[in-house]
Amino acid sequence: GQNIDQPTEMTATEGAIVQINCTYQTSGFNGLFWYQQHAGEAPTFLSYNVLDGLEEKGRFSSFLSRSKGYSYLLLKELQMKDSASYLCAVRGGTNAGKSTFGDGTTLTVKP
Amino acid sequence: DSGVTQTPKHLITATGQRVTLRCSPRSGDLSVYWYQQSLDQGLQFLIQYYNGEERAKGNILERFSAQQFPDLHSELNLSSLELGDSALYFCASSVADYGGGAGEQFFGPGTRLTVL
Repeated sequence: GQNIDQPTEMTATEGAIVQINCTYQTSGFNGLFWYQQHAGEAPTFLSYNVLDGLEEKGRFSSFLSRSKGYSYLLLKELQMKDSASYLCAVRGGTNAGKSTFGDGTTLTVKP
Repeated sequence: DSGVTQTPKHLITATGQRVTLRCSPRSGDLSVYWYQQSLDQGLQFLIQYYNGEERAKGNILERFSAQQFPDLHSELNLSSLELGDSALYFCASSVADYGGGAGEQFFGPGTRLTVL
């Protein structure tokens, strides 16, 4: 099966940088995704990694190490609107198309 | 607005009943995914269809079934409803069924199901 771990909560200051880690265990791997979800709203796609390395997209970057089963999402120049839940998801396993989501990390950005 | 539509927005029903949730994907997207999100279980992948065919299955109960129609809209049928089925049900769509095109999924606003 698949197992995903990420911290439950994090707090950071407006303008700062925060790194949200995600570790996973899977029998097969077809990509790792990060989503942002504000309370009461639908998740929105942030990033996709399938090869090792860093993917940068504006203030958001995501890193993947397949050998370590590890990813992180880096948020720079934090804004109050970045307060949300960040979901790490892995696609793969015995059912190649199956997506498994972590429980999410609730990020609170303080002024 | 993601371009994915879901109806109804809210649904209140009783235990033992059957309901149908509907989803229309973004124009041009061939893959449709269904997810369940409850307070104690997080976001759970249920099932994926690609161009009318089932592609991947998650932890979907036997009481639940889904299909994707030729016009690419999808329906999720929930039967013999139990209190524990109360949750937010999301539909998402993507261009492809694997790779990055599958990863960038666009979520609809969800259907909030309450079983009393």
